[in-house]
Amino acid sequence: GNSVTQMEGPVTLSEEAFLTINCTYTATGYPSLFWYVQYPGEGLQLLLKATKADDKGSNKGFEATYRKETTSFHLEKGSVQVSDSAVYFCALSRSSGSARQLTFGSGTQLTVLP
Amino acid sequence: ETGVTQTPRHLVMGMTNKKSLKCEQHLGHNAMYWYKQSAKKPLELMFVYSLEERVENNSVPSRFSPECPNSSHLFLHLHTLQPEDSALYLCASSQDNSGGYEQYFGPGTRLTVT
Repeated sequence: GNSVTQMEGPVTLSEEAFLTINCTYTATGYPSLFWYVQYPGEGLQLLLKATKADDKGSNKGFEATYRKETTSFHLEKGSVQVSDSAVYFCALSRSSGSARQLTFGSGTQLTVLP
Repeated sequence: ETGVTQTPRHLVMGMTNKKSLKCEQHLGHNAMYWYKQSAKKPLELMFVYSLEERVENNSVPSRFSPECPNSSHLFLHLHTLQPEDSALYLCASSQDNSGGYEQYFGPGTRLTVT
């Protein structure tokens, strides 16, 4: 079946540090891949996505590249800010009858210190 | 209003109460979802509605009863809940014939069962 594995947190960084959160997946076919972010007390927000191999999704300084050969979709940011503190979820899409659904990783808590 | 809204944002109920959670999407999507998010556990998909028909029910106890009267509204009716049902309940929507199949989430209802 489909699954998503994220690096375990929590991750604590100083402001302006480089961020990598690893994500690998197992899936049949060619899923779309997503990163979602959840700020404290809020729902999940779509951060970026990639729909086919070698696509790079980017948003707000975050990037992730769909690597089919390594089945990975690692999230990176060159210089994190305190406001990036949140929980980050990697996800892939799968079909189920007439509705596409998402399989989520367990989430990685990021804390950025000033 | 835009996006996905959920009411109430917070709910405290006793085990013998009956209450309902409401979700409304203003995005013109044709699929809606209920998720349960508990501390220290992955996001759990509960129900999926596509074109107002339930297409998935992930072995959710019968004390949770969903209703989707139209493509913009989704309810979760609650009765005789247990303390372990305390969690953040998230609603999401998507457009199922689009390319990326990303889901858009509401802010959630924080439910506490006493």
